[in-house]
Amino acid sequence: SAVISQKPSRDICQRGTSLTIQCQVDSQVTMMFWYRQQPGQSLTLIATANQGSEATYESGFVIDKFPISRPNLTFSTLTVSNMSPEDSSIYLCSVEEGRDTEAFFGQGTRLTVV
Amino acid sequence: GESVGLHLPTLSVQEGDNSIINCAYSNSASDYFIWYKQESGKGPQFIIDIRSNMDKRQGQRVTVLLNKTVKHLSLQIAATQPGDSAVYFCAETSGSGGADGLTFGKGTHLIIQP
Repeated sequence: SAVISQKPSRDICQRGTSLTIQCQVDSQVTMMFWYRQQPGQSLTLIATANQGSEATYESGFVIDKFPISRPNLTFSTLTVSNMSPEDSSIYLCSVEEGRDTEAFFGQGTRLTVV
Repeated sequence: GESVGLHLPTLSVQEGDNSIINCAYSNSASDYFIWYKQESGKGPQFIIDIRSNMDKRQGQRVTVLLNKTVKHLSLQIAATQPGDSAVYFCAETSGSGGADGLTFGKGTHLIIQP
């Protein structure tokens, strides 16, 4: 199974600022995803991080707010831009090695916006 | 949009008893389902998966049942242990527009009573 490392593991940020979260995988993977988990709730898919092209965003999420990079098959970043307290959540990176296969998750980044 | 949901938000069982966690899904095109366990402060951990061409799959102390007729999924945990206390999520492939990524249910908090 893939080992996923996320940085930072947690942060407290001022509103109006931006935070970039890094996701590093110990092996090359086909698919990488970013999810949001609001306090006490389930996970919601933000976007699919595509290697070498623009990310594919789910309904309700836009590139200006959540720009994503994926320069290679082992690394991706998610930026939470112009943050507000409503952005306080856990952000999770996930990888799949193929379609309809088990998805592995990082430990998440717990973001608090004050 | 279509969603995956759960019947019970909290389930409390005695240690050693069996537990059943239920999940309803609405997307009839879903063809791959996964159960995840999430402990506090951690990312979701894969438990077991099942494809739509099956109605039952067993793992170590866990069984997943799929009823496609009524779009229902369940996770059975046998001989529960204190370490089974966690939030459990069902998830299914989004199946929309060719994009991968998972749609998660609301989650059930399983509490194992000593």
